[in-house]
Amino acid sequence: NAGVTQTPKFQVLKTGQSMTLQCAQDMNHNSMYWYRQDPGMGLRLIYYSASEGTTDKGEVPNGYNVSRLNKREFSLRLESAAPSQTSVYFCASSQPSGAGISYEQYFGPGTRLTVT
Amino acid sequence: QQPVQSPQAVILREGEDAVINCSSSKALYSVHWYRQKHGEAPVFLMILLKGGEQKGHEKISASFNEKKQQSSLYLTASQLSYSGTYFCGSGSPYKLIFGSGTRLLVRP
Repeated sequence: NAGVTQTPKFQVLKTGQSMTLQCAQDMNHNSMYWYRQDPGMGLRLIYYSASEGTTDKGEVPNGYNVSRLNKREFSLRLESAAPSQTSVYFCASSQPSGAGISYEQYFGPGTRLTVT
Repeated sequence: QQPVQSPQAVILREGEDAVINCSSSKALYSVHWYRQKHGEAPVFLMILLKGGEQKGHEKISASFNEKKQQSSLYLTASQLSYSGTYFCGSGSPYKLIFGSGTRLLVRP
């Protein structure tokens, strides 16, 4: 099993350009997440998808859109990149228990994005 | 509200013990702990649930005090491989809010 995969690994954008970060998981997890991590900081949730067909905002959704394409794939789109979006982006997935408690999250390797 | 972690950084000799604390101003229903090595993705260590259930790592233990809204991670007989940044996360099942991390360096 590959776990959680992300593409691309690195990207440099100019201000105003758009791009889509791709994420896929092969663990049959229902829930998927997008986080950003700025240098020396913790993880901040951008968007999440509790199950296929649903998406919801996290802490820092402004400037981003997401699509839960199917159970495996969850993409993050930057419509008009800004230097403040320079960060490392992590995708994660988890499998909630029957009680609605979400257990461990499995993270992808990250995408390092620089916006100039 | 972001959980507060302490200390911000700690340096140990191999074999020494460490405690990392995580506290929140909001009621805690569960606390997640993750470790991240430099340039890598976070890796799950432990989850503590209200009511005392724990799931996670065999060599690392943790406590969860619901009344004090605190959790502590105990690293005993530290190994070089324990070096990294430790994050606690709390919140609703899908919306974890992570602390800013505790940097741990274990030296030979």
